[in-house]
Amino acid sequence: AQSVAQPEDQVNVAEGNPLTVKCTYSVSGNPYLFWYVQYPNRGLQFLLKYITGDNLVKGSYGFEAEFNKSQTSFHLKKPSALVSDSALYFCAAGDNYGQNFVFGPGTRLSVLP
Amino acid sequence: EPEVTQTPSHQVTQMGQEVILRCVPISNHLYFYWYRQILGQKVEFLVSFYNNEISEKSEIFDDQFSVERPDGSNFTLKIRSTKLEDSAMYFCATRPGTFAANIQYFGAGTRLSVL
Repeated sequence: AQSVAQPEDQVNVAEGNPLTVKCTYSVSGNPYLFWYVQYPNRGLQFLLKYITGDNLVKGSYGFEAEFNKSQTSFHLKKPSALVSDSALYFCAAGDNYGQNFVFGPGTRLSVLP
Repeated sequence: EPEVTQTPSHQVTQMGQEVILRCVPISNHLYFYWYRQILGQKVEFLVSFYNNEISEKSEIFDDQFSVERPDGSNFTLKIRSTKLEDSAMYFCATRPGTFAANIQYFGAGTRLSVL
């Protein structure tokens, strides 16, 4: 069975500093990995995905994520955090056919001015 | 940019009542999903729907739940005889039919409050 872990409930970072939100996964077969962001009272907004190809994927709003097969990780990163990046971030894994996603528990990112 | 639309944004109901949550998928999307997020907890898969039938469902999706596309466009989740523990945020998601484009696009959700 697929599973996704986000070891940190909360990440605090100062504005302008780099940020990392961690995600590890356990899937059978090839991993299909995604990051979504949830702002207050909003739905889940797609940020980026890894299906195949380069291990470093770039997404919306300056975010990127690095796929590391040996460590089964897919950490979300941004070189310079903005206060507006403060939100709840979810890592998700899909199966080969893009069927149901398994979500991690979420990490709340707070960017402090 | 096209988006998934969910109505209502907030639904309050009495325990034991039936509710129907509605979703308008992005046009030309063929796969539809419902997820649930209990307050403070993770997003959980409920059911996926393709070609007018359920393709996969979780153990959460028991006989209390049903889905359909009543008019070929809207995608609905019906919860019969609601329970207090059904209170949650319900998200609809859709994706195109092509294999490679397996991003799921989520609606803003419906907050269900069962009293």
